[in-house]
Amino acid sequence: DTGVSQDPRHKITKRGQNVTFRCDPISEHNRLYWYRQTLGQGPEFLTYFQNEAQLEKSRLLSDRFSAERPKGSFSTLEIQRTEQGDSAMYLCASSRNKEHGYTFGSGTRLTVV
Amino acid sequence: QQQVKQSPQSLIVQKGGISIINCAYENTAFDYFPWYQQFPGKGPALLIAIRPDVSEKKEGRFTISFNKSAKQFSLHIMDSQPGDSATYFCAASILSGGGADGLTFGKGTHLIIQP
Repeated sequence: DTGVSQDPRHKITKRGQNVTFRCDPISEHNRLYWYRQTLGQGPEFLTYFQNEAQLEKSRLLSDRFSAERPKGSFSTLEIQRTEQGDSAMYLCASSRNKEHGYTFGSGTRLTVV
Repeated sequence: QQQVKQSPQSLIVQKGGISIINCAYENTAFDYFPWYQQFPGKGPALLIAIRPDVSEKKEGRFTISFNKSAKQFSLHIMDSQPGDSATYFCAASILSGGGADGLTFGKGTHLIIQP
């Protein structure tokens, strides 16, 4: 159990560019979540996968955001045409089932300049 | 609409004292109430959680008190230590039923334990 791994840890990008983040969950966890956290706020739910199926998306997830989990293992979150308002910490979490708490990764901090 | 309201926003407690953080929720369908601890540069880590069928849960120095009728729950940290200095988040979700269990978080409490 090596924990939830996220890459990169930090990303600085210019407004309008596309960015992609990767999350590697704990290997036996079939549930994977993406959250966004801005400074001084709690994490906000973005989307949820069970195995490779994306089962729920928040209204926060605009059309510029897309997430995939192609083989039910790692996941990617892509943001197209980034805006300054996208600057935040993007957190990935995984769990074995509903009754077990999440394990969060350390996040990817995105800064859009 | 903020579904989970957390207070206070910041808290300073002397070493050895009791730290108390409060949360109130609105959605009566919530049936899982965890507390997370977050250190700078790290993701939140699960501290303790409670289901609404019990009024209190204790794990070491950490206790959750739950009041279903008032739709409130609180975290008590006994014998607070400088290492407990962190940001604490309450959260709520719906475990029963077939939907996802996305957590709704409070805004967090920045706790400082003074030596």
